[in-house]
Amino acid sequence: EAAVTQSPRNKVAVTGGKVTLSCNQTNNHNNMYWYRQDTGHGLRLIHYSYGAGSTEKGDIPDGYKASRPSQENFSLILELATPSQTSVYFCASGDVGLGQNTLYFGAGTRLSVL
Amino acid sequence: AQSVTQPDARVTVSEGASLQLRCKYSYSGTPYLFWYVQYPRQGLQLLLKYYSGDPVVQGVNGFEAEFSKSNSSFHLRKASVHWSDSAVYFCVLRMDSNYQLIWGSGTKLIIKP
Repeated sequence: EAAVTQSPRNKVAVTGGKVTLSCNQTNNHNNMYWYRQDTGHGLRLIHYSYGAGSTEKGDIPDGYKASRPSQENFSLILELATPSQTSVYFCASGDVGLGQNTLYFGAGTRLSVL
Repeated sequence: AQSVTQPDARVTVSEGASLQLRCKYSYSGTPYLFWYVQYPRQGLQLLLKYYSGDPVVQGVNGFEAEFSKSNSSFHLRKASVHWSDSAVYFCVLRMDSNYQLIWGSGTKLIIKP
């Protein structure tokens, strides 16, 4: 069974603070993704990665950094958190391409920036 | 520009009734289409997918979807809903050019007892 684990599940941060969201996958997928989910917007892609050492900007990368130190781990970093980054964040893994199109999602991290 | 539209933010259906969730896409290339489901306080799971061939595709838990090129649609259906189907459903388009995924805004399905 494919598995994607996110930590923490809930986080309260202060404005201007640094936040790191972690994601671990045991699927041996090359691709990993960070999305945020807000009411009325569905999922929006923040950053993604094709493999260890690679990070790419998604549709809404401003204010976020990503790090992929290994095949299994993909982190999302908010250097200076703002209230507009209050959201639910989802990590996913999957080898999106010909014949392989399923994404496997973590349970999400609920972030509140006060 | 490519897009996915789910026109209904919320749909309420009585348990045992039939269901259709609408999805329209805009894309000039060959679309690959998916439905994902998000149960309360959980991540998202793949429900079904369409690449080519038979326009009606079967998914898990009795769900099916029908692709229509002429209508640019990929509507999700179920003959008889159960209370456990309460969730948010997302329609997703994958572009064949760069494998990028375009997500609809989701439809929240509410099942009345």
